[in-house]
Amino acid sequence: DAGITQSPRYKITETGRQVTLMCHQTWSHSYMFWYRQDLGHGLRLIYYSAAADITDKGEVPDGYVVSRSKTENFPLTLESATRSQTSVYFCASTDGAANTEAFFGQGTRLTVV
Amino acid sequence: DAKTTQPNSMESNEEEPVHLPCNHSTISGTDYIHWYRQLPSQGPEYVIHGLTSNVNNRMASLAIAEDRKSSTLILHRATLRDAAVYYCILRDEGETSGSRLTFGEGTQLTVNP
Repeated sequence: DAGITQSPRYKITETGRQVTLMCHQTWSHSYMFWYRQDLGHGLRLIYYSAAADITDKGEVPDGYVVSRSKTENFPLTLESATRSQTSVYFCASTDGAANTEAFFGQGTRLTVV
Repeated sequence: DAKTTQPNSMESNEEEPVHLPCNHSTISGTDYIHWYRQLPSQGPEYVIHGLTSNVNNRMASLAIAEDRKSSTLILHRATLRDAAVYYCILRDEGETSGSRLTFGEGTQLTVNP
């Protein structure tokens, strides 16, 4: 099915562990994004990617690493998870043109204990 | 990035029209005005976008001020399913960074039965 999917939907991890959140889109969109949303707040951009092998920092990149070896995948890695990284993470994709819509995944709820 | 300002919250009654305002006084000539909404426990979804002229689609209407420094999202007949956080976003056609999709806090719309 066409779309954008995130996995896992829910994850509990311990402080200090490495965890990777996956994002996959089937439209071959050039742009992909990672956001975090803390309870009761709006979305904050972590990283984005304009194309395979091109990534750039957003508003809150510290503690996160991304890669984009293939157009359709954009994994987000927390190298050493902290409790402050407990949040809901959303992935999005768009073809990049400012007059087109972006599509969002259903989110990954990450809890760091 | 050009900024937008929205009220934190608004209330409406079911089956009545809702006018959600957005101020963007620093908008540039190449900025598209986008609206997204986020239903509870879901990722954001696209609602509508426009550049200069008013726009209509099956979900809503977008009224853009003549000077483009403000816009209004219009839900013609609110339903309980329209209860969500509504985000007004500017995306710049002229810059790569315009594809970043930067969100603010949005407006929490409550629809009363």
